[in-house]
Amino acid sequence: EDQVTQSPEALRLQEGESSSLNCSYTVSGLRGLFWYRQDPGKGPEFLFTLYSAGEEKEKERLKATLTKKESFLHITAPKPEDSATYLCAVTLSGGYNKLIFGAGTRLAVHP
Amino acid sequence: EPEVTQTPSHQVTQMGQEVILRCVPISNHLYFYWYRQILGQKVEFLVSFYNNEISEKSEIFDDQFSVERPDGSNFTLKIRSTKLEDSAMYFCASKGQGGYEQYFGPGTRLTVT
Repeated sequence: EDQVTQSPEALRLQEGESSSLNCSYTVSGLRGLFWYRQDPGKGPEFLFTLYSAGEEKEKERLKATLTKKESFLHITAPKPEDSATYLCAVTLSGGYNKLIFGAGTRLAVHP
Repeated sequence: EPEVTQTPSHQVTQMGQEVILRCVPISNHLYFYWYRQILGQKVEFLVSFYNNEISEKSEIFDDQFSVERPDGSNFTLKIRSTKLEDSAMYFCASKGQGGYEQYFGPGTRLTVT
């Protein structure tokens, strides 16, 4: 069965304290891996797409990387406004692009 | 910047009633999706729609659910006879021709009493 697992479930950081979020996946064939940010009561906001092992994408304080089994979202010197739930999702090769989501990591950044 | 919009933001309905959730996808997108998120749980795929027909649906999307693109801009999800367990946030998403990223709307919170 195709699965996406995220860890940790929750992460509390002090402002400026860098860390990484993990997304591991077991799928029949990966077409793409996506990172989204979700604020409470809102829809997922697209951050990154990664397609192949070794690929990296960056945006402000966020950097996403991909290996054959997992992806990391690195947060450098986070600010309180980075507090949100970060969702990882995959889409499978040969399908119609449905997204399979992990449960997310709830990030809280305190001043 | 183009965005997906959804109405209403919150819908309260009684068990057994029909509801229609509405979405306006990004204007040049051709692929449309509905997902739901029960409180505290994962975002789950319901259905994908392309070229005026369903391309894929999940086990959740049973005969009580239907989708329609009644005109060139709207995309709707209908639940014929709501159940308590249908209470969730429902998200519409759309995707363009190039790339695989989907863009989500703000969601409709459906509460079934």
